[in-house]
Amino acid sequence: GAGVSQTPSNKVTEKGKYVELRCDPISGHTALYWYRQSLGQGPEFLIYFQGTGAADDSGLPNDRFFAVRPEGSVSTLKIQRTERGDSAVYLCASSLDLSQPQHFGDGTRLSIL
Amino acid sequence: AQSVTQLDSQVPVFEEAPVELRCNYSSSVSVYLFWYVQYPNQGLQLLLKYLSGSTLVKGINGFEAEFNKSQTSFHLRKPSVHISDTAEYFCAVSGLNSGNTPLVFGKGTRLSVIA
Repeated sequence: GAGVSQTPSNKVTEKGKYVELRCDPISGHTALYWYRQSLGQGPEFLIYFQGTGAADDSGLPNDRFFAVRPEGSVSTLKIQRTERGDSAVYLCASSLDLSQPQHFGDGTRLSIL
Repeated sequence: AQSVTQLDSQVPVFEEAPVELRCNYSSSVSVYLFWYVQYPNQGLQLLLKYLSGSTLVKGINGFEAEFNKSQTSFHLRKPSVHISDTAEYFCAVSGLNSGNTPLVFGKGTRLSVIA
């Protein structure tokens, strides 16, 4: 079966622009997580969903970041007024439920010029 | 809250030699423990996990790890490495509160296998 799919794989945009990053989880996985990985660092938690609702968004760095999962499957991470410091690899993961191991996508490499 | 310390940022090792990648964690609650591997330009792949039971956990690609509660450690080992093991390795912890919590990762250890 297909794994976690993230699109686009690379995104380059100018400072101040709006971006959307998409995550297609493994079919049937109810839990979905977003992480951000800066160069030379481990992934850092941003937000996770159980079904359609955001169960924990405490990792979002500020109100420019927002994520949705309207039908409990695909999720979109949205970043407004991008800044150069937002440049990183954004990773999505999904799991059958909160007690099961997470399966990761290949990430979206976001570069803000 | 949980935290993870990976004591070595880089570990060079010759092919067919043994390797140990160290991981220590801190948590006020019981935890699940994980090791993930990341190859260049790819996402993370689960190597092994400790949830409960036997403290010696075997994973894929010949790796194993041992959970030591008294030392709050979960070191990763392989008796004989291959060139293909060259990658970044991340230790991660998840706290057992009501249900599960998102993973907290260490900064990673870059394993370089030398021919």
